[in-house]
Amino acid sequence: DIQMTQSPSTLSASVGDRVTITCRASQSVSGWLAWYQQKPGKAPKLLIYKASSLESGVPSRFSGSGSGTEFTLTISSLQPDDFATYYCQQYHTYLTFGPGTKVDIK
Amino acid sequence: EVQLVESGGGLVKPGGSLRLSCAASGFTFSNAWMSWVRQAPGKGLEWVGRIKTKTDGGTTDFAAPVKGRFTISRDDSKNTLFLQMNSLTTEDTAVYYCTGHRGIINLFDYWGQGTLVTVSS
Repeated sequence: DIQMTQSPSTLSASVGDRVTITCRASQSVSGWLAWYQQKPGKAPKLLIYKASSLESGVPSRFSGSGSGTEFTLTISSLQPDDFATYYCQQYHTYLTFGPGTKVDIK
Repeated sequence: EVQLVESGGGLVKPGGSLRLSCAASGFTFSNAWMSWVRQAPGKGLEWVGRIKTKTDGGTTDFAAPVKGRFTISRDDSKNTLFLQMNSLTTEDTAVYYCTGHRGIINLFDYWGQGTLVTVSS
């Protein structure tokens, strides 16, 4: 099974900050990596797929990069609506989610 | 508009069974691979299992923690997905989400609102 890790587990930031979340896979997943955003009490929402492709309707302040085993999600200028938990997910072999990174208000 | 509406959650005793349903609309359900994903209280997301379309064989796959205890089925005539859960343990307590895949890859375009399953004596 492919294991996913994320760092940090919690991130405190302010509106306007540049935020970067890292996701690592236990073995190469090539570019088959997605990022989801989840707000409390809501279902996750797909933000990024194939490591760097922005899902339709997602603001351009979100970007993804990486390949193989190391990936990043960057929010260029954090907005009030972005305080949430972010999960990476590999879909190279079946699928596995990372443990999540909670972005909260500093 | 795509809608996935789960139902059937509730309180069940350890060792018991429960059947969840997911009513789909707004897309061609029979053409969609579907999965269940769960989230224990305060925890992360965990894939439970998947069913392919009948065209792709209608086969199912499950995560190790539920293999042999859970089954997934679909009724394409009623646009409904099912999750049959047997031999439930407290570790199965979670919100269960019905999800629709993007084509034939394990990427989720659509999510339901979730239904809570609580396993407790």
